[in-house]
Amino acid sequence: ETGVTQTPRHLVMGMTNKKSLKCEQHLGHNAMYWYKQSAKKPLELMFVYNFKEQTENNSVPSRFSPECPNSSHLFLHLHTLQPEDSALYLCASSHVGRGGASTGELFFGEGSRLTVL
Amino acid sequence: SQQGEEDPQALSIQEGENATMNCSYKTSINNLQWYRQNSGRGLVHLILIRSNEREKHSGRLRVTLDTSKKSSSLLITASRAADTASYFCATSYSGNTGKLIFGQGTTLQVKP
Repeated sequence: ETGVTQTPRHLVMGMTNKKSLKCEQHLGHNAMYWYKQSAKKPLELMFVYNFKEQTENNSVPSRFSPECPNSSHLFLHLHTLQPEDSALYLCASSHVGRGGASTGELFFGEGSRLTVL
Repeated sequence: SQQGEEDPQALSIQEGENATMNCSYKTSINNLQWYRQNSGRGLVHLILIRSNEREKHSGRLRVTLDTSKKSSSLLITASRAADTASYFCATSYSGNTGKLIFGQGTTLQVKP
């Protein structure tokens, strides 16, 4: 166990559905991240939250909507997705200093495998 | 692109042999990290090397960093079948706010 829990582990949804991915970290970290991992592509950083504030939106389509209610929880709300959005969505957390610089490693969850039909 | 690029993309060796993976990047970094991912699972941090360090060891892992060549290598000695996984380098860039940029990874297969 890495201390980062993602649910659900697997999700199948139609293009008109609305669903959410959840991430919870028990490590006392103050930064959380969403990454997308597609087959044969590098991990793509989607969103970064430092101290509950979004500090990075890496040109992600609006059909992905993140929410960070506190430093321990991160959601990714999904609506009207496309088949090409099928991927493994990974949540991670880390500790960052007050200036926003990361002090080191990321701790990843096991991922949510999303299939869009 | 700022991302690191790993070489080779795939590597197959026999148990007991050493495995070497390389990573190149493009701009100044704060640190470089290596991660491991078993199939369908999350990434696990292996080792971090800072820009002012040249070599670091952790168990059977040895990482080197050459900032003049903007490259790093990961050596796994005396490999085991359980080392079969994908290995990624990730770079934290100077002036960055905590995010890591990952390469495409090297898929390592260790045959028993």
